[in-house]
Amino acid sequence: NAGVTQTPKFRILKIGQSMTLQCTQDMNHNYMYWYRQDPGMGLKLIYYSVGAGITDKGEVPNGYNVSRSTTEDFPLRLELAAPSQTSVYFCASRREGTGELFFGEGSRLTVL
Amino acid sequence: DQQVKQNSPSLSVQEGRISILNCDYTNSMFDYFLWYKKYPAEGPTFLISISSIKDKNEDGRFTVFLNKSAKHLSLHIVPSQPGDSAVYFCAATTGAGSYQLTFGKGTKLSVIP
Repeated sequence: NAGVTQTPKFRILKIGQSMTLQCTQDMNHNYMYWYRQDPGMGLKLIYYSVGAGITDKGEVPNGYNVSRSTTEDFPLRLELAAPSQTSVYFCASRREGTGELFFGEGSRLTVL
Repeated sequence: DQQVKQNSPSLSVQEGRISILNCDYTNSMFDYFLWYKKYPAEGPTFLISISSIKDKNEDGRFTVFLNKSAKHLSLHIVPSQPGDSAVYFCAATTGAGSYQLTFGKGTKLSVIP
């Protein structure tokens, strides 16, 4: 019973590099989310998806892109990494009809 | 503009005593509230929720109280246990089916044996 799985768990990037954070869930949830958590702060929504082929911006989308080709997968792409993107990233999916989110373990990204 | 506020960054409580974590919100459209618990190096996990049609919801040692007129909710943990030591996030949304949760900054609870 894997739930939400994120990879990688840790990554160090140089300024200007690109990378993709992978997220997959096995609960057949339509809703999926990407959040970032900066030190001492709450979680801020980057992007979300209500189903395969449908994505939309959250509160802090600049510098990121997403795609949702299948129900299971929701990758987050950073095109030109900047130090301001140093953060812990959480992927989540939502049980239908509730506000209950299931989170992955997080991906800690450092941009130097 | 912080719509969900947890004004206490940290809280220390003796084992066996009551822990009370507080949360205030400013958006009157919020009508569904949740608490999440987070251990270090793990993702948040859902703890308990409450709809605005209720003023109390209980699940074992955890009770959430909602005061709509004051735009305030609180999480009570009785009795507190060392395993409850974690960061607790308050979250709010406009309806259980809404796409977006707004999170507070969290309160770090330390339960001292």
